[in-house]
Amino acid sequence: QVQLQESGPGLVKPSETLSLTCTVPGGSISRYYWSWIRQPPGKGLEYIGYIYHRGSTNYNPSLKSRVTISVDTSKNQFSLKLRSVTAADTAVYYCASLVTSLNWIDSWGQGTLVTVSS
Amino acid sequence: QSVLTQPPSVSAAPGQKVTISCSGTSSNIGYNFVSWYQQLPGTAPKLLIYDNNKRPSGIPDRISGSKSGTSATLGITGLQTGDEADYYCGTWDTRLSAWVFGGGTKLTVL
Repeated sequence: QVQLQESGPGLVKPSETLSLTCTVPGGSISRYYWSWIRQPPGKGLEYIGYIYHRGSTNYNPSLKSRVTISVDTSKNQFSLKLRSVTAADTAVYYCASLVTSLNWIDSWGQGTLVTVSS
Repeated sequence: QSVLTQPPSVSAAPGQKVTISCSGTSSNIGYNFVSWYQQLPGTAPKLLIYDNNKRPSGIPDRISGSKSGTSATLGITGLQTGDEADYYCGTWDTRLSAWVFGGGTKLTVL
């Protein structure tokens, strides 16, 4: 298991782009599919997508048109961009490590609350 | 509407046993491994069970998992008040090509 840390603005205006970054331990960037998962207040977990260190990505079909996940291996970071946000995108956003067999999610960051409001 | 179906809540007395079900289809649970996550109030989820029935180090053996066909079950024996949490099942969905979760089950230890 690994320690993950999300960072980014806690408030985003409607129609703008939500941007978050997750820092992973040095040396681990090639070991997992690096994922984003969110949880609206009082609701369940929703998978957003993942990226591998070589750049291949996978996105939730319901969010695919608005999501981009990227990786910077030199900084041991991966990032989430969610475009054209609305109040429905208000959630705690978690970065997480999905094992490459796709069998389980190994570790989670502490989560960061992003509120969409003007 | 979650792809995997869990009961919204379960409850039992301290010391008792509880099971939480997770129902899916042939493209997710029926084809892939299931994992379970515990989310204590105000915290991030934590891996409890992987590969249907394996426990990560540090998870006690009173926690168990099983899978049959397109359903999976989490079992917790010797319930403690510290077990009060939300529990989520998860797996890869081959048809959607995406990770899917159950809607979560709130466990109350009466």
